[in-house]
Parts: sequence; C-alpha cells; structure tokens
Amino acid sequence: NAGVTQTPKFQVLKTGQSMTLQCAQDMNHEYMSWYRQDPGMGLRLIHYSVGAGITDQGEVPNGYNVSRSTTEDFPLRLLSAAPSQTSVYFCASSYSGGRDSYEQYFGPGTRLTVT
Amino acid sequence: AQKITQTQPGMFVQEKEAVTLDCTYDTSDPSYGLFWYKQPSSGEMIFLIYQGSYDQQNATEGRYSLNFQKARKSANLVISASQLGDSAMYFCAMSTGTASKLTFGTGTRLQVTL
Repeated sequence: NAGVTQTPKFQVLKTGQSMTLQCAQDMNHEYMSWYRQDPGMGLRLIHYSVGAGITDQGEVPNGYNVSRSTTEDFPLRLLSAAPSQTSVYFCASSYSGGRDSYEQYFGPGTRLTVT
Repeated sequence: AQKITQTQPGMFVQEKEAVTLDCTYDTSDPSYGLFWYKQPSSGEMIFLIYQGSYDQQNATEGRYSLNFQKARKSANLVISASQLGDSAMYFCAMSTGTASKLTFGTGTRLQVTL
C-alpha cells in the first residue's frame, strides 16, 4: 500500500493563479480531509469528506474548493491564490464506521508558497 | 466549538528520563476522541496514541502513555525513557462526531539532550 499520496511536494504560485493539490489513498478509507499548517500553529481543517459525493467545510474553507468523485481521490483547488495561503497542506484519510476513534493517516504534505 | 490548549511551547528532557507534555481540551460533546501526533523535522505526521472519552483505562502504546483526567479535561502525553529520536513537535488533537475532523493544539517542541 502506498498509503496517502500528495502531489506536488512543493509549489510556488503567483497571486491570482489557480491550482489543484492532488491527494489519493489506496486504503479504501471513506473519510478524507484537508488541513493547512502555518508556522507556529497546529493543523487547521479546510474541508473534509465522509464519502464519495459528500463534502463539507471545516474551520478555514474560504478560498478553497473540493470535490470527491471517487473514494480514492480528494483534490483541493485554490481558486485565486493569495499570499495568506502560503502554508503546508496535509491530506489525511481514515476509516469510518460511526466511531471517532480511528486514527487519521496523513500524506507527506505539500509546501505551497504564494508570491 | 472544540478547543485544544497546549501551554508548553518547548520542553527539554535528558535522554532516558521521562517527560510529560500537557494538553487540555474543551468540548460540550459527551463523546470524543483524543489523539497525540508526532511531527519530526522531516514534516510528516506520525500517530502515537488514542484515548476515547468513555475509555476507563489510560491508553498506552509502548513508551507512550496518555494520562487522561476527564474531570480536569486534560490528556497529557507521558514519554518514558526518552530517546534522541523523540526530539520533535508533538500535537494533541481531538475529534468529535467523526474521525475526519480533528482539532489540533499549537504543539510542543520537545528536545532530548544527552
């Protein structure tokens, strides 16, 4: 199993550009999430999904869009990049089943810089 | 709303000693889960330990144990016999309702010295 994979590892964007961060998992997890990590802070939830076709907003959703057409993939779209979106982005997946005890498996992260 | 507070920005511990990293949480949900993650300088997030709100016993995983005091709303991580490889950032996190939504604290940077 590759686990949770993210591409690209690094990206530099100019203000106003758009791009998609890719996330895929091969563990057949129903739950997937996107977090951002800013310096000196913990991870903050951007969007999450509890299954294909179902997404919802997290704590900091503005400026980001997601969709979940398959169980495996959960791309994050930046609509019009801003310097405030400079961060490290983590994708995560976990089992479902109605319990909150399942650990989230994290991808290696994407370091994004917006100039 | 859920909140996790980690009040120790940095901690030092000597090799082979035990160390406690503090975590307090706030939620009105009676059912929740508490997690600890390790983030080494390479950046990946490594799951360490989990405690459920209804679990009667404190969770343990090898050298890691979680000191769960429900009345105080605290979930401190205890690392026994520290090793140099334990030097990293440590994050406390909480989930309520679904495991896909974690709320994180700001982290504690642990340095293990000789």
